[in-house]
Amino acid sequence: QVQLQESGPGLVKPSETLSLTCTVSGGSVSNSGHYWGWIRQPPGKGLEWIGSVYYSGTTYYNASLRSRVTMSVDTSKNQFSLKLRSVTAADTAVYRCVRQDLYSEHEYAIVAYWGRGTLVTVSS
Amino acid sequence: QSVLTQPPSVSGAPGQRVTISCTGSSSNIGADYDVHWYQQFPGTAPELLIYGNDNRPSGVPDRFSGSKSGTSASLAITGLQAEDEADYYCQSYDSSLSGWVFGGGTKLTVL
Repeated sequence: QVQLQESGPGLVKPSETLSLTCTVSGGSVSNSGHYWGWIRQPPGKGLEWIGSVYYSGTTYYNASLRSRVTMSVDTSKNQFSLKLRSVTAADTAVYRCVRQDLYSEHEYAIVAYWGRGTLVTVSS
Repeated sequence: QSVLTQPPSVSGAPGQRVTISCTGSSSNIGADYDVHWYQQFPGTAPELLIYGNDNRPSGVPDRFSGSKSGTSASLAITGLQAEDEADYYCQSYDSSLSGWVFGGGTKLTVL
């Protein structure tokens, strides 16, 4: 069974960079047919896709966050990571790493596995 | 403002049938991209409920069904049970945004 576990600081100061890592067990980030992504959820609000990375390093980002986001994959550690720069209070959310399974072309991917999530608060 | 529009809340009595709508546009649902549905209980991660418009993953009761027409999709729940009380999200792909998008979520209350 695939399991994903987020790790990183729970508190980030405004204007600084939020950095999270997702460790994958029960599966390999090197396998094709999957994207590895991040989805966030502000307290009491809905889901927002942040971005996804393929094992090759190809990335796809939410257009509204693209200027501040960097994602990467580390196949040697079976991990992938998220960096979100210049954070504000609006970036406070539960951040979940996910595995998206492709069942057809690029656009046809379902979120099959979710991490439990980690609350990141942006505050001074 | 979510790209996909869902009603904030719906409710129904046990045993009844409820539907949750998900309205998009010509760049997502109307562009024939598939719609998926997720169920989320408080304090937990969402789980896949319906994929590819109308397919249920193994383990999902057949009380749950999905459909799509034009620029909209719907999730139907029949034989409503107390355990169905949760938040429900639709998701698709948007070609204008070049990314995956979610609806704002619908809170289902079982009366």
